[in-house]
Order: sequence, then C-alpha cells, then structure tokens
Amino acid sequence: GENVEQHPSTLSVQEGDSAVIKCTYSDSASNYFPWYKQELGKRPQLIIDIRSNVGEKKDQRIAVTLNKTAKHFSLHITETQPEDSAVYFCAASLANAGKSTFGDGTTLTVKP
Amino acid sequence: GAVVSQHPSWVICKSGTSVKIECRSLDFQATTMFWYRQFPKQSLMLMATSNEGSKATYEQGVEKDKFLINHASLTLSTLTVTSAHPEDSSFYICSAPSAVPYGYTFGSGTRLTVV
Repeated sequence: GENVEQHPSTLSVQEGDSAVIKCTYSDSASNYFPWYKQELGKRPQLIIDIRSNVGEKKDQRIAVTLNKTAKHFSLHITETQPEDSAVYFCAASLANAGKSTFGDGTTLTVKP
Repeated sequence: GAVVSQHPSWVICKSGTSVKIECRSLDFQATTMFWYRQFPKQSLMLMATSNEGSKATYEQGVEKDKFLINHASLTLSTLTVTSAHPEDSSFYICSAPSAVPYGYTFGSGTRLTVV
C-alpha cells in the first residue's frame, strides 16, 4: 500500500519567517495530495491541495509544490503568524480508491 | 459547502459497554465513508471504509467484530465500538468524499474515553 513520510516532526520558527514541510510518497499511482491543519482537539481542516497534473499551487501565504518524478511534495508557508501554530498533515490519495494515507504530522510553532 | 455532522463529540463509557458514533452527510450523498482513529499526538490511521448497501472494508489489524460499521443510507454511516476497553480510548473521525472532485469532508470527531 501507500506509505507517506513527513518531515520534520516539529518545526519552530520566528514570526514572519517561512516554514517548509516535506512529504514523500511511495505509490506512483497517487494523484491527489491535500494538506491539513489540525488544531488541538479539532478536526483536520484542508488548507491547500494539489493534483498530479500540476507542479505548483499557491493561495496567499501558502503554497504547495509537487515533484512526481521524485515522489515528493512540500508545503510552504510564508510570513508566518502565531495563529499558524498547529499540527500539519500531508496526505496522498488514489482518486479511484478515495482513501487517504496520512503523514505522521508536523507540529509547527510560530514564536511571536 | 459539504458538511459531515458527527455525534457525539465526546463520550465517556465504562469498560465492557458499547458506544455508537454517527456521521451524517448533511447536504450531499455519501456513498462512501472513511473511519479514522487518532491517538494523542499521532496521525490519522484509517480503520475501515464503509459503502452504502454493502459490507465495510477493514484495514489490516482492525477487528471487524469489535468495530462494527453500518452504512444503511446515503447520508448515514455508524461506527459501534463493542465491548470497549481503555485501550480503545481515542479520537475517532469520519471523512466522506464531497461533491468537489477529489475533495474530502471530515466530521468534527468523537473523543472516546473508556474508564
């Protein structure tokens, strides 16, 4: 089955700096890669996603890049703010099967 | 947008009892529902996939007789934890493919504590 590895497990940055989280996947058939933000005790919230026919996608301070050849994708957050502090999960999905395999998560702390 | 309503949001039960968790798709039909379990400070682990009108598919290592899943209609899927034990204490969350292609909608999650 699919295996998703996520790094780093924890990340601490100063407010205003950029944060980068990286994920690799094993199944070349995966074609949908969402990123979720989860605050303590709450459901994961989709913040951005990318499909395999696109190499990069940006939404304000958040961007995701995908390298299909290397089977890795990354989340970039610029101008970080304290409210960005949360656990971030990447996932890889097979569109036909529908289910997602999640990375282990990255705890991001943005220091004021 | 697509909404999945999950109840209860938290439950405390005694060891040996059963607990039912419900997930309802409010404004779309969910022919498929994914059930995840999340232990503290860990990732979401897929337990099973339920499909309306057919038997659920369980992931390796998940006891189907302990975690009963029923998907009786296009808007309701239930997970029953039978004979619960303290090690079943976890955050259970459902997710359904939403109307947007490739998108998924999560329920709000259920915090189960077995004492």
